[in-house]
Amino acid sequence: AQSVAQPEDQVNVAEGNPLTVKCTYSVSGNPYLFWYVQYPNRGLQFLLKYITGDNLVKGSYGFEAEFNKSQTSFHLKKPSALVSDSALYFCAVRALNSGNTPLVFGKGTRLSVIA
Amino acid sequence: DGGITQSPKYLFRKEGQNVTLSCEQNLNHDAMYWYRQDPGQGLRLIYYSQIVNDFQKGDIAEGYSVSREKKESFPLTVTSAQKNPTAFYLCASPPLTGPGDYGYTFGSGTRLTVV
Repeated sequence: AQSVAQPEDQVNVAEGNPLTVKCTYSVSGNPYLFWYVQYPNRGLQFLLKYITGDNLVKGSYGFEAEFNKSQTSFHLKKPSALVSDSALYFCAVRALNSGNTPLVFGKGTRLSVIA
Repeated sequence: DGGITQSPKYLFRKEGQNVTLSCEQNLNHDAMYWYRQDPGQGLRLIYYSQIVNDFQKGDIAEGYSVSREKKESFPLTVTSAQKNPTAFYLCASPPLTGPGDYGYTFGSGTRLTVV
């Protein structure tokens, strides 16, 4: 079975400081990993994905994520947070060779960037 | 622009009533999914359809029904058997070859409230 854990319900960071939103996963085989962002009363928007290759993945709006196979983690990072980054962030996973089975999502982490 | 349209944006249901949420896509994708979002619980899969005239139950299908008579449309009916239907409902669709380069496209959601 596939699962995703986002251990922090809420992350607070000052504007201009680096931010990290944590995600760990469990799948059989190699993972296909995503980060999405959600603004209030909206659908989810794609930020970035990891399939294979470089462990550091760059995505939209200056976000990046680091894949760590040994720790089964895929933490989302940004060097300098903006107030406009405040939103709900979801990590998602499925096994790479599982056909088109639906993604499994974490419970979400609310990021609050304080000016 | 290609995308997913969900309607209505807000929906109110009386006790014992069935209501239907609309999801339409012009992406020419085969697969369409319905997720339910509750605070602190992330996204949970209700039903999914990989192709027209076929659909499967997700993790929380009880009290819901779907149909997939057309490629573009995947309506979700919340029946009176669903005892706690108040939630935010999201429709999503992956690209033709699986999650692909940008993962799922999401609709803007329908917020259902029981009155």
